[in-house]
Amino acid sequence: DAGVIQSPRHEVTEMGQEVTLRCKLISGHNSLFWYRQTMMRGLELLIYFNNNVPIDDSGMPEDRFSAKMPNASFSTLKIQPSEPRDSAVYFCASSKAGVYEQYFGPGTRLTVT
Amino acid sequence: KQEVTQIPAALSVPEGENLVLNCSFTDSAIYNLQWFRQDPGKGLTSLLLIQSSQREQTSGRLNASLDKSSGRSTLYIAASQPGDSATYLCAVRRNQAGTALIFGKGTTLSVSS
Repeated sequence: DAGVIQSPRHEVTEMGQEVTLRCKLISGHNSLFWYRQTMMRGLELLIYFNNNVPIDDSGMPEDRFSAKMPNASFSTLKIQPSEPRDSAVYFCASSKAGVYEQYFGPGTRLTVT
Repeated sequence: KQEVTQIPAALSVPEGENLVLNCSFTDSAIYNLQWFRQDPGKGLTSLLLIQSSQREQTSGRLNASLDKSSGRSTLYIAASQPGDSATYLCAVRRNQAGTALIFGKGTTLSVSS
């Protein structure tokens, strides 16, 4: 199994631009989690889905952030417009129903200048 | 609101030493607790998961303990090796499988040869 796949691995963009981060779940998994990691705040949950349905989006910082699951195996996290304070590493993780183990992708390092 | 704290933030030890990493959480109503390892520029790898009803889990040179009533967990690493150098993260889960983790900021371990 290829594991959780994230793209791009690195993204550098200018303030005000739209950024789209992508995540492909492990086949057969049906829970999807987006986390953000910064030095100051550590790893924080942004949003998670079960069976394509958003369950908890309380961690989404503001309306500039949106996440979707257009199908059972794929998710996007969009930031529009991006700001320098959005610079962080964004991880997605997936898990299987009834199983606690979350498998993390390698992350996308976002730099907003 | 659940908060997870890890002490120390960084630790340097010579090869061969036994060491203990500490994790504390403010709300004892957890479902389980998980220890992860993160290598620089990489995603997270799960090391050990302890259910709330368990006291400890062991995997090779690693032993994790859980004292739910006092809100504490420890990760014991025996006979440390340079390859153990990484950041170790502790995370708690509020509810059953398919729900999100709340992370500490981690302890960065450096083992010198």
